[in-house]
Amino acid sequence: GENVEQHPSTLSVQEGDSAVIKCTYSDSASNYFPWYKQELGKRPQLIIDIRSNVGEKKDQRIAVTLNKTAKHFSLHITETQPEDSAVYFCAASRDGQNFVFGPGTRLSVLP
Amino acid sequence: KAGVTQTPRYLIKTRGQQVTLSCSPISGHRSVSWYQQTPGQGLQFLFEYFSETQRNKGNFPGRFSGRQFSNSRSEMNVSTLELGDSALYLCASSLRADGETQYFGPGTRLLVL
Repeated sequence: GENVEQHPSTLSVQEGDSAVIKCTYSDSASNYFPWYKQELGKRPQLIIDIRSNVGEKKDQRIAVTLNKTAKHFSLHITETQPEDSAVYFCAASRDGQNFVFGPGTRLSVLP
Repeated sequence: KAGVTQTPRYLIKTRGQQVTLSCSPISGHRSVSWYQQTPGQGLQFLFEYFSETQRNKGNFPGRFSGRQFSNSRSEMNVSTLELGDSALYLCASSLRADGETQYFGPGTRLLVL
């Protein structure tokens, strides 16, 4: 079955710097890759997603890149702000079924 | 539109009991998925329902079951509770028939004593 690894497990950056979180997946048939942000005590929130027919997607300060050959995808956050501090989860699925999540990255943005 | 809602928000049960959790998806969403979130295992997929049919199932024992009603509301049941079932149970709904673009509910925090 699918296996998703995520690195780093914790990440601290200075406010205004960029943050990059990387995930790798094992099932080459996976074709949908969402990213979720979960603040302490709150529900995971979808922040961006990408499908396998696209190599990159951007939404304001957030971007995701996908390398199908290497089976990895990355979340890029630019100009980080304290409110970006949260746990970020990547996930992989085939046709929107059987989502497998990465273990999460705790991002701390230091003022 | 109202978001995904889950009831109850908190539950305390003892080993051996059973529990039923409820999830109301966003209006118009027909796909509902359930997840278990624990500090040790992270977010794990339980099952997914679409149009009252279980479409996918994760690697959980048969004590975990669910169903979906004609109005897309879903329930999840855990029988013979074990201490290890203590977790945050999240449901997510999707407008898309393929289940992509999921929106999570606030979760039900279950504590098994």
